[in-house]
Amino acid sequence: NAGVTQTPKFQVLKTGQSMTLQCAQDMNHNSMYWYRQDPGMGLRLIYYSASEGTTDKGEVPNGYNVSRLNKREFSLRLESAAPSQTSVYFCASSESFTPVYGYTFGSGTRLTVV
Amino acid sequence: LAKTTQPISMDSYEGQEVNITCSHNNIATNDYITWYQQFPSQGPRFIIQGYKTKVTNEVASLFIPADRKSSTLSLPRVSLSDTAVYYCLVGALSGAGSYQLTFGKGTKLSVIP
Repeated sequence: NAGVTQTPKFQVLKTGQSMTLQCAQDMNHNSMYWYRQDPGMGLRLIYYSASEGTTDKGEVPNGYNVSRLNKREFSLRLESAAPSQTSVYFCASSESFTPVYGYTFGSGTRLTVV
Repeated sequence: LAKTTQPISMDSYEGQEVNITCSHNNIATNDYITWYQQFPSQGPRFIIQGYKTKVTNEVASLFIPADRKSSTLSLPRVSLSDTAVYYCLVGALSGAGSYQLTFGKGTKLSVIP
């Protein structure tokens, strides 16, 4: 009964370093999403994958890349981290484009770039 | 994407019914209205979704008037564990045929003993 699993839970990077945030879901969902949440703010969509084999930009894609590795996994990569990317990152999934039961979110990755 | 406006914060005593209203004046014909709950250090959790009139589940009710320009989330008899941020979202089909949800800042509900 794992749902959406994100790794790592915490990470500290130096400016210019790269890293990949991992996300996996075990609900056989077709669509997956990456959001970021800054203090006191709502969530902003970075990238999404409507189905296996497709990815599209969301509201704030600059500085990020994504890979839909298979139906279960959707990773987010920071090629050259910047302090402005300090945030909490949430991965989510849904059964379809128009989810009757909404999105299922992971518990988040707290990233600090120094 | 339709923009939503909701109160920044609300306080309520335990056992009371809480109503959080969200306005979405430019909602499109195909848009659904969805509400999420978020506790500190956790991802948002789906509460309820509707298109028009009233929807009820085991957690909450959602009231949507005929013009759909607003919606009200109703939480019956709140407890301390309902203290959280509540997000009202209006989904929209993008040009690429995908369905994106835009989160605003939400309403921080504080339940007082």
